[in-house]
Amino acid sequence: QVQLVESGGGVVQPGRSLRLSCAASGFTFSSYGMHWVRQAPGKGLEWVAVIWYDGSNKYYADSVKGRFTISRDNSKNTLYLQMNSLRAEDTAVYYCARDSRRLQLTDAVGYWGQGTLVTVSS
Amino acid sequence: DIQMTQSPSSLSASVGDRVTITCRASQGISNYLAWYQQKPGKVPKLLIYAASTLQSGVPSRFSGSGSGTDFTLTISSLQPEDVATYYCQKYNSALHTFGPGTKVDIK
Repeated sequence: QVQLVESGGGVVQPGRSLRLSCAASGFTFSSYGMHWVRQAPGKGLEWVAVIWYDGSNKYYADSVKGRFTISRDNSKNTLYLQMNSLRAEDTAVYYCARDSRRLQLTDAVGYWGQGTLVTVSS
Repeated sequence: DIQMTQSPSSLSASVGDRVTITCRASQGISNYLAWYQQKPGKVPKLLIYAASTLQSGVPSRFSGSGSGTDFTLTISSLQPEDVATYYCQKYNSALHTFGPGTKVDIK
């Protein structure tokens, strides 16, 4: 079955960097768009970024544009999120998520990982 | 950028009640609208996509409607296991913005 397992979260000081990874299994990774979605403690869902199934296009929320970079390695079935210049307001659980349907240029999110907590604090 | 709003922000209803949640986009998004359910301490779950298509395995008491800027999620007969926060999300373009959520509990 579909599995998405995030890793790389932790405590980091403001201004520093962190890279999250998401290991995918149970489906043809290279056929699905992938997302990062975050949720600050006690708050709602915030969409962060999407990368097309072939990696040809990437889009970001305004709140992270220019600081975060989404990427994927289809040979390793892995999604990444490079987070630079981290701020306190980036503190959240970060979910790796998959499009609902294959080979779509845009789609709803059909599967979610369990999330990894990123805490930005001095 | 298109903004998403939801109303109400929270509601309390009795078991068996019909519950309706509204989602509004600041500009037209055709039917590129999804609804998610997030139970306390759990990962979100896709309920409806394309504004009105029920995701496989989702109970038929959930339904969605709307197009353009105004959308609704209806629970025809509220059950105790429906206690959750419900989010709408647009996906008509590059930015997949979520609404702020509607918290549903049992009266």
